[in-house]
Amino acid sequence: GDSVTQMEGPVTLSEEAFLTINCTYTATGYPSLFWYVQYPGEGLQLLLKATKADDKGSNKGFEATYRKETTSFHLEKGSVQVSDSAVYFCALRNSGYALNFGKGTSLLVTP
Amino acid sequence: DTGVSQDPRHKITKRGQNVTFRCDPISEHNRLYWYRQTLGQGPEFLTYFQNEAQLEKSRLLSDRFSAERPKGSFSTLEIQRTEQGDSAMYLCASSINLASTDTQYFGPGTRLTVL
Repeated sequence: GDSVTQMEGPVTLSEEAFLTINCTYTATGYPSLFWYVQYPGEGLQLLLKATKADDKGSNKGFEATYRKETTSFHLEKGSVQVSDSAVYFCALRNSGYALNFGKGTSLLVTP
Repeated sequence: DTGVSQDPRHKITKRGQNVTFRCDPISEHNRLYWYRQTLGQGPEFLTYFQNEAQLEKSRLLSDRFSAERPKGSFSTLEIQRTEQGDSAMYLCASSINLASTDTQYFGPGTRLTVL
């Protein structure tokens, strides 16, 4: 079946460092790919998405490119801030309606 | 747009009791989803409604679980004869079926603790 694998956390970075959170997927067909973020004490929020190969999703300085050849959707940000501390979830949606999530990667950004 | 709301936010119950959670989706959203999230894991899909029709159910949704969405508005998720393994965060999401997008918007969740 479909699945998403994320890099293990927690990830700890200093402010203004470069961020990469790896995400790879297994799926038949052409799924849509998503990154959701969960800030402390808050609900899941959509961060960005891509619906077809080579699409780049971007929001709030974060970017991710849908790479079908490597079945990846890595999340990147050039300069992280303390306010980016959160748990990040990679997810896919294939032919059905359900989102299939990875386990999440916790990010802590220190001043 | 007031967002997806869930009630209660926290529920503590004893094993064997029944519990019911409510989800109010964003108004005019015709799709509604329930997920379950345990500590250290991503959300897992439970069930999906389009309007009042329950169109998809995960095998995670045992016969102790039942969900309804009368009149295609709010939804309830009931767990009968709760077990300690049911302890989790129960998340509700909603979306609207548009050709260009079908983004799921999540509520804050109901945290269930079964003693």
